[in-house]
Amino acid sequence: GAVVSQHPSWVICKSGTSVKIECRSLDFQATTMFWYRQFPKQSLMLMATSNEGSKATYEQGVEKDKFLINHASLTLSTLTVTSAHPEDSSFYICSMGHNEQFFGPGTRLTVL
Amino acid sequence: DAKTTQPTSMDCAEGRAANLPCNHSTISGNEYVYWYRQIHSQGPQYIIHGLKNNETNEMASLIITEDRKSSTLILPHATLRDTAVYYCIVFKNVGTNAGKSTFGDGTTLTVKP
Repeated sequence: GAVVSQHPSWVICKSGTSVKIECRSLDFQATTMFWYRQFPKQSLMLMATSNEGSKATYEQGVEKDKFLINHASLTLSTLTVTSAHPEDSSFYICSMGHNEQFFGPGTRLTVL
Repeated sequence: DAKTTQPTSMDCAEGRAANLPCNHSTISGNEYVYWYRQIHSQGPQYIIHGLKNNETNEMASLIITEDRKSSTLILPHATLRDTAVYYCIVFKNVGTNAGKSTFGDGTTLTVKP
């Protein structure tokens, strides 16, 4: 199956700063990628659909100005958490695929 | 997307078969049933998927009822490393919203020695 990487795997930042998370496909070209967020002991929640060359589609309740998504190429999508706050601390996961979805290893964000 | 319901938790003895049920009574004709598992602090791992026929691969078997309203994931010989949260998801894999998944709470499977 496709190999999906995320960078960084974990990050700690101060409140008010912005953090960029990369989702990269190493062997697969994806016009669509998905971003999820997972809080402790909870399931994955879809945040947005990242579309190559066009604007992302956000799920209800997800602020598009806070979670900036850029899908500039078929192998890379980035999620930027702007002006991060402690409540943004979570596990962020991306996925992509044609048939089955392949998930990245996740990025753990801790905002102090 | 169709909603799925799964038992919150299950235990299984090491070496025995683990049978994980899933209900997806509102599944549409063009939606597939996918199973993933997630080990703590990792991304979900694909296990198996199917449309209406039973499927088997090196990891597991998937049994889908004839009316497609429920399915069962079978791990034939569970090991301690199979302890994880197992998610049953339904989604289309072609067309509009292909790949867009709604995760339920999953089943926490604990394999005991």
